[in-house]
Amino acid sequence: DIQMTQSPSSLSASVGDRVTITCRASQTINVFVNWYQQKPGKAPKVLIYAASSLQSGVPSRFSGSGSGTDFTLTISSLQPEDFGTYYCQQSYSTPRTFGGGTKVEIK
Amino acid sequence: EVQVVQSGAELKRPGTTVIISCKVSGYNFNAYYIHWVQQAPGKGLEWMGLVDPKHGETIYAEKFQGRVTMTADTSADTAYMELGSLRSQDTAIYYCTMGIPGGGSYFFDNWGQGTLVTVSS
Repeated sequence: DIQMTQSPSSLSASVGDRVTITCRASQTINVFVNWYQQKPGKAPKVLIYAASSLQSGVPSRFSGSGSGTDFTLTISSLQPEDFGTYYCQQSYSTPRTFGGGTKVEIK
Repeated sequence: EVQVVQSGAELKRPGTTVIISCKVSGYNFNAYYIHWVQQAPGKGLEWMGLVDPKHGETIYAEKFQGRVTMTADTSADTAYMELGSLRSQDTAIYYCTMGIPGGGSYFFDNWGQGTLVTVSS
């Protein structure tokens, strides 16, 4: 199974800050990484697919990059509504695996 | 508009079986695989498996192999996930979601609202 290791596990940042979350795969997975945001009590929502493609309707302050084993989700200017937990997920092979999550709090 | 509606919360005794339904509307049910994801209280997301509604083929995560069965009823546009031999560690929210093609692979979009299963004696 492909392991997805996310860091940090949590962060606290101020509105307007640039936030970066990283995800490392245990083997090369091309660009087959997706990023999700989950708010308390809600289902996850896809933000980025195939490492860098912005899902329709998602604000442009979210961006993704990377290929091979190292991937990054960036929020260019953190907004109050961006609190929640973010997960990476590989779609290279089954079982589809998720990272452990990064909890983002607003200072 | 695509809608995905799951069945309601369940309270189950250890050793029994739970069946969760996932009804979809607003798109061709045969077009996309349905995936199931487990989230234990306060924990992360764990992929359980998928079902191809058109052909009935399934792939299960090894952790759930032997205890889980995923099916799809195309006449009712509904997918089902059956988990047996329940134990307290199965207490979790279970989500169904669609595997949408994009960028040469697939991502999960159009999630159900989640179904809380509590396993307790």
